[in-house]
Amino acid sequence: EIVLTQSPATLSLSPGERATLSCRASQSVSGYFAWYQQKPGQAPRLLIYDASKRATGIPARFSGSGSGTDFTLTISSLEPEDFAVYYCQQRNRWPPVHTFGQGTKLEIK
Amino acid sequence: QVQLQQSGPGLVKPSQTLSLTCVISGDSVSSNGATWNWIRQSPSRGLEWLGRTYYRSAWENNYAGSVESRITVKADTPKNQFSLQLNSVTPEDTAVYYCARWSDRNSFDIWGQGTMVTVS
Repeated sequence: EIVLTQSPATLSLSPGERATLSCRASQSVSGYFAWYQQKPGQAPRLLIYDASKRATGIPARFSGSGSGTDFTLTISSLEPEDFAVYYCQQRNRWPPVHTFGQGTKLEIK
Repeated sequence: QVQLQQSGPGLVKPSQTLSLTCVISGDSVSSNGATWNWIRQSPSRGLEWLGRTYYRSAWENNYAGSVESRITVKADTPKNQFSLQLNSVTPEDTAVYYCARWSDRNSFDIWGQGTMVTVS
């Protein structure tokens, strides 16, 4: 099973700053990779799929990059509504086992 | 738009069966391009994928190894819904349970609202 490790665990930034969140896989991801945002009391929300494609309705300030074992989510200029927990997720092609990272909490500085 | 509406009890006794249902609107459980999944979230285990059902030429299922011996995910075509049954629960199964669609966007693009289930 591929283990995803996210860093940092907590990121403290101010609105308008740039956020860079990392996700490292224990082995190369050959299947599918995505990023999600979760706010308190809500289900996760899809942000990025196929490592770099923005989901419908996601603002252009969100971008994803990476391949193999290293992936990055970048928020170019933080808005107040961006402060939340972010999760990375991967799925093997076969067997279709999904794993999630432990999350990065993005908090207001 | 596609929506998933979950229902089921919030409290289950140890050793009993946890049962949840997810009703689909705006899509079909028999859709050739989607799979229908259950995921749970707890402070100790984080987000954990449990299993899925989907239809191609026949109904198929895949389950996480951690629950494979105790789980059943089943579709109900006439009601356009799918369900989760988790047998022999323990307090470690206490979590928020989500249903979610895996689509041709290769991601969980639609989620249910979540159901907090306590095993006690």
